[in-house]
Parts: sequence; structure tokens; C-alpha cells
Amino acid sequence: TAGITQAPTSQILAAGRSMTLRCTQDMRHNAMYWYRQDLGLGLRLIHYSNTAGTTGKGEVPDGYSVSRANTDDFPLTLASAVPSQTSVYFCASSFLAGGGNEQFFGPGTRLTVL
Amino acid sequence: GQNIDQPTEMTATEGAIVQINCTYQTSGFNGLFWYQQHAGEAPTFLSYNVLDGLEEKGRFSSFLSRSKGYSYLLLKELQMKDSASYLCAVRDSNYQLIWGAGTKLIIKP
Repeated sequence: TAGITQAPTSQILAAGRSMTLRCTQDMRHNAMYWYRQDLGLGLRLIHYSNTAGTTGKGEVPDGYSVSRANTDDFPLTLASAVPSQTSVYFCASSFLAGGGNEQFFGPGTRLTVL
Repeated sequence: GQNIDQPTEMTATEGAIVQINCTYQTSGFNGLFWYQQHAGEAPTFLSYNVLDGLEEKGRFSSFLSRSKGYSYLLLKELQMKDSASYLCAVRDSNYQLIWGAGTKLIIKP
């Protein structure tokens, strides 16, 4: 099985443009997450979804939106990119949101906004 | 506010033992996780603690003291492949993970 995949691997984007980062998992996990990772900072939660059809805001949701139309896919959209959104973006999933359910991470998308 | 503190960087010798500490202040506690992250790669799960005490898994052990807001990850018989960043994360009252900035572990021969 592929586990959790992300696309694209990397992208250079002009400021003001929109972009969707894709995330797909084949583990039938209920919960999915989007994080950004910046040098010197811990992973910061952007948005999450505890189950298909529901989404919630994390620590740094401004400028990002998500949808969860089905179990497998959890795309992250930047409506109008700004340079401060330059980061490595990780999608993750877990069987359930609580308990000892570990999160499995995708390989990441490295985004540069110029 | 919520805070997870870890040392930024540690150096150890191949074959030795190293302890990576993590202290936390969070709104609620629903478990603590340790992850390993090699440079340029995704984090991978190492351990989970929800009750006080030591959890052992091969060369890696993790300890938790909830009253002290403290955990450590113990790595034994260090190998060069253990060179990586080690991330501490706490699940808070909203069941979301709050992450430390990570400890970069450098292993020297």
C-alpha cells in the first residue's frame, strides 16, 4: 500500500497566485491533518478533519482552506499566496483523533512563494 | 499559552547512550508522543506515553512524569543512522498535537 501521498513534491509559486496541495491516504484513516514546518519552530497545525465531512481550524489557519469530501482525500488550498507561506507542508493521518493513535505523515511538499 | 521545550542540539558518540529531555505546559494532557525525523524526510512515530513510567521498545525507551510535565527519550547503543531530529509532541485537551521544535542529535564515530 502507498500509505499517504502528497503532491506536488515541491513548487515555486508567485505571490498572489492560488494553489492546492493534494493529500491522499489509502489506510482508511478517519482523521487527517495539515501541518507546516519552519526552521526553528515545531510543526504547526493548519487545519484538521476528524472524520469525512468535517473540518476544523488549527493553530495557524489564516490564508488556508481545506475540504474533506471523502475519507481518502484532504486537499489544502492557498487562495492568494504570500511569501510568509513559504514552508514545508506535511499531511498526516491517524485511525482516530484521540487515544494512542499515532499520526502517519506524507513525504511533504516544499513550497516557495516569491 | 502552550509550550513544549527541548534542547536544540545534542552530540553523542556511536555506541553510547543519550537522553533527550522534553518539558511541557499545555492546556490538558492526553498523551505524549516522540517522533524521529531524518533531514529532508517526514516524521516517523517512535513512542507513546499516557501513564507515568517507562516504556521500552528495543534500543529506545521513553519516560513520562505527568506531575512534573516532563518526558525523556533514551537511546541506547547509538548507531550512525540515529542521527536525526527527535520531536516531542503532547496531545492537549482538544486532542490536537502540540509540537516541540525538535532536538537535532549528531552522532560521532
